[in-house]
Amino acid sequence: EIVLTQTPGTLSLSPGERATLSCRASQSISTTYLAWYQQRPGQAPRPLIYDASRRATGIPDRFSGSGSGTDFTLTISRLEPEDFAVYYCQQYGISSVTFGGGTRVEIK
Amino acid sequence: EVQVVESGGGLIQPGGSLRLSCAASGFTVETHCMTWARQAPGRGLEWVSVTYGANTYYADSVKGRFTVSRDNSKNMLYLQMNGLRAEDTAVYYCASYIVTHPYWGQGTLVTVSS
Repeated sequence: EIVLTQTPGTLSLSPGERATLSCRASQSISTTYLAWYQQRPGQAPRPLIYDASRRATGIPDRFSGSGSGTDFTLTISRLEPEDFAVYYCQQYGISSVTFGGGTRVEIK
Repeated sequence: EVQVVESGGGLIQPGGSLRLSCAASGFTVETHCMTWARQAPGRGLEWVSVTYGANTYYADSVKGRFTVSRDNSKNMLYLQMNGLRAEDTAVYYCASYIVTHPYWGQGTLVTVSS
């Protein structure tokens, strides 16, 4: 089973700052099946990025994804107040799906 | 517009059974990848099942207890949950992948307690 490790566990930043979130896979995965989600308290996960770098429908361009092989990154160029939330990476294969443990982005 | 809507959650006693439904619109369940995931209170996301065409794969934590089925005429996906345990308490999410773009529902809460 592919294990996804997200770092850091918590990121303390101020509005307007840049956020860089990491997701490392235990083995190489296809970029086609790597996604990122945002989850605000009490809400369902919201797809942000799929295929490692494509923005999902309606997602603003301050969100970007990059990476390949085992190392993937979600970048938020300038944090808005509504961006303070928990972020998860996910890989979805033909016979299994795994999620990272999440990164909490909190207001400093 | 692509949409998935879960229903069927509720309070159930340990050892009981429950069937969750996922109503799909804007695409055909039969020809797209569908997953169930869950999130226990205060915890992260956990995969439950993935269905591609005629094949379904399950997480070890639910294998042998949970079963996914589909009604193509109604464009519905189901999750039959038997032998429920307290640790199955969670919000359950249905998701579709149109090509590879994910679409998630709002979830349905399952509480296993006596």
